[in-house]
Amino acid sequence: DSGVTQTPKHLITATGQRVTLRCSPRSGDLSVYWYQQSLDQGLQFLIHYYNGEERAKGNILERFSAQQFPDLHSELNLSSLELGDSALYFCASSTRTSGTYNEQFFGPGTRLTVL
Amino acid sequence: GQNIDQPTEMTATEGAIVQINCTYQTSGFNGLFWYQQHAGEAPTFLSYNVLDGLEEKGRFSSFLSRSKGYSYLLLKELQMKDSASYLCAVRERTNTGGFKTIFGAGTRLFVKA
Repeated sequence: DSGVTQTPKHLITATGQRVTLRCSPRSGDLSVYWYQQSLDQGLQFLIHYYNGEERAKGNILERFSAQQFPDLHSELNLSSLELGDSALYFCASSTRTSGTYNEQFFGPGTRLTVL
Repeated sequence: GQNIDQPTEMTATEGAIVQINCTYQTSGFNGLFWYQQHAGEAPTFLSYNVLDGLEEKGRFSSFLSRSKGYSYLLLKELQMKDSASYLCAVRERTNTGGFKTIFGAGTRLFVKA
């Protein structure tokens, strides 16, 4: 158990809908990262938040948005869902932005199925 | 842009040694990670290199050459439970103080008896 929690574990929805994925980082971790993992692709970096501020963006679609709240939990919002958005979505947390050694601890993931 | 290459699959025998290679091209290099991922599960951290050389951690070792854009993960005394995907990931520092971690597609390792 990494200490990172994600809800829900599974989500099934229809095209065009909007969903919210939630992540609680490990106690004390200020950084939260979101990744998408499709069957035919590796882990794709989406976005990094540190203490409530967006710090880095990857190939995140405009239909997707994220935020980190004062209690450090984070939400990933996916809208106008398409079949291709079906994937495992992982959240990871780490201790701080600076420093040379801050491994990321991954949550169990949310499996999103868009029908 | 970023590019990370690693073999798609490898097979090795229980008790043997296997080396998984990773080559990368990136800007703003800030460290290289290896993660293990079993199917349908979260990746778990194995090793980290930021300086050239070998880092050893029990049955696992990782090597980095920054000038060659090359790393490898060495697994010794292979066990059946080592059958998993091994992900090479490069971290880049952004100009806003954040980190992008770019993952390779992973190498699926099959350990046979």
